[in-house]
Amino acid sequence: GAVVSQHPSRVICKSGTSVKIECRSLDFQATTMFWYRQFPKKSLMLMATSNEGSKATYEQGVEKDKFLINHASLTLSTLTVTSAHPEDSSFYICSASGQDSYNEQFFGPGTRLTVL
Amino acid sequence: AQSVTQLGSHVSVSEGALVLLRCNYSSSVPPYLFWYVQYPNQGLQLLLKYTSAATLVKGINGFEAEFKKSETSFHLTKPSAHMSDAAEYFCAVRSYGNNRLAFGKGNQVVVIP
Repeated sequence: GAVVSQHPSRVICKSGTSVKIECRSLDFQATTMFWYRQFPKKSLMLMATSNEGSKATYEQGVEKDKFLINHASLTLSTLTVTSAHPEDSSFYICSASGQDSYNEQFFGPGTRLTVL
Repeated sequence: AQSVTQLGSHVSVSEGALVLLRCNYSSSVPPYLFWYVQYPNQGLQLLLKYTSAATLVKGINGFEAEFKKSETSFHLTKPSAHMSDAAEYFCAVRSYGNNRLAFGKGNQVVVIP
């Protein structure tokens, strides 16, 4: 089956620094990648959708200047949390979909971000 | 618009008993429906999906779900719960022509020995 990886799996940073999270599709070409945020004991909140080679589409209420998304190739998307603050601490999950009939999304294992 | 309702954030079930997780959806066009399982500090794993073929869908780990259009439901069942079934379960809907998933709030399943 399709495999999606995320790196790092866990990151701790100081307030004010920037953190980059990578999402890779390992065995298929991902025309679309999605970034979600999950708060403890909560569901997934879609942050943005990115298509390879074009600007990401952000959901209402998500600051695009704070959460920078780049989808430079068909196998890699990155999420950069700029000037991170403690309230940005969360579990970030990416997913990727290719060109199959149902545009099924395959999920990465997630990245736990802790901002001190 | 598309949305999913999952009632009962926490579900306790005895080992060996039936697991039933309810999911109702709202979609203005034919839906694709999914059930995902999430173990602590991990991503989502697809259990099963409905994509307009058979209405009774069988998935991994002995789970199955039945799509009922008249009830706008896609309830997940497993005849006999196992300790390893303890996890968070999410129902999701994606409308035809829309590549975005809408998730329910999830059910935390606890299996009692």
